[in-house]
Amino acid sequence: NAGVMQNPRHLVRRRGQEARLRCSPMKGHSHVYWYRQLPEEGLKFMVYLQKENIIDESGMPKERFSAEFPKEGPSILRIQQVVRGDSAAYFCASSLFAVGGNTIYFGEGSWLTVV
Amino acid sequence: AQTVTQSQPEMSVQEAETVTLSCTYDTSENNYYLFWYKQPPSRQMILVIRQEAYKQQNATENRFSVNFQKAAKSFSLKISDSQLGDTAMYFCAFMSENAGNMLTFGGGTRLMVKP
Repeated sequence: NAGVMQNPRHLVRRRGQEARLRCSPMKGHSHVYWYRQLPEEGLKFMVYLQKENIIDESGMPKERFSAEFPKEGPSILRIQQVVRGDSAAYFCASSLFAVGGNTIYFGEGSWLTVV
Repeated sequence: AQTVTQSQPEMSVQEAETVTLSCTYDTSENNYYLFWYKQPPSRQMILVIRQEAYKQQNATENRFSVNFQKAAKSFSLKISDSQLGDTAMYFCAFMSENAGNMLTFGGGTRLMVKP
C-alpha cells in the first residue's frame, strides 16, 4: 500500500524559471495538503485541495504560486519565476476524510533549491 | 488564529535516559487535536503520537507519552529509554476541529541522543 508519493525529491532551478512539484496521495485519499518548510523552521500550511477544487489557499503566496488537483493524475504545486526565497522543502500530505482529527499522512518532501 | 510554541530549540539526552520536550499552544477553541511529529535526518515527517482534547487520559505509544494539560494549554512529549534512532527534529502541531485537517506547527526542537 503505497504512501504519499512526491516527485521530484530534489529540484534545482535558476532564478526566473518555473518549478513543478507533484504529489500522488495515498490510495483512496481525495484530500491533499501542501506545506512549506523553510530552513530551520516548522512546516507552514499552504493549500488544501480536493479533487478539482481548492478548498483553502489561505497560506499560499498571492503571486507566482498555484496548485491544482485534477480529476485524474497527481496534485501539482507550481511556482513561477522562482526566487532564492522559494528555496525550501515542500511537503504534500493526504487524508481519507476532512473531519477534524483525521490522520494526515505526509510524503517525503520535495527539496527546491533556487540558484 | 492558533499558535504553537516550542521553547527549546535544542536538547540532548544520554542513551537510555528520559527526556521531555515542551510545547504550548494558544487557542480559543474547546475541541481540537494535538500531535507530535518526528523529522529524522531523512527529513520525512513521521507521526509519533496524537491526543484528542476531549480525552483527559494522556496518550501513550510505547516509549512515547504526553502530558496534556488543557487548562494550561501545554502538551509535552516524554521519551523514555532514549535510543540513538530518536535523534531528530520534533514538531508539535495543533489541528482545529473545524479547520479541515489543517495543521499548525511549532518551530521544532532538535533532539540529540548521545551514546
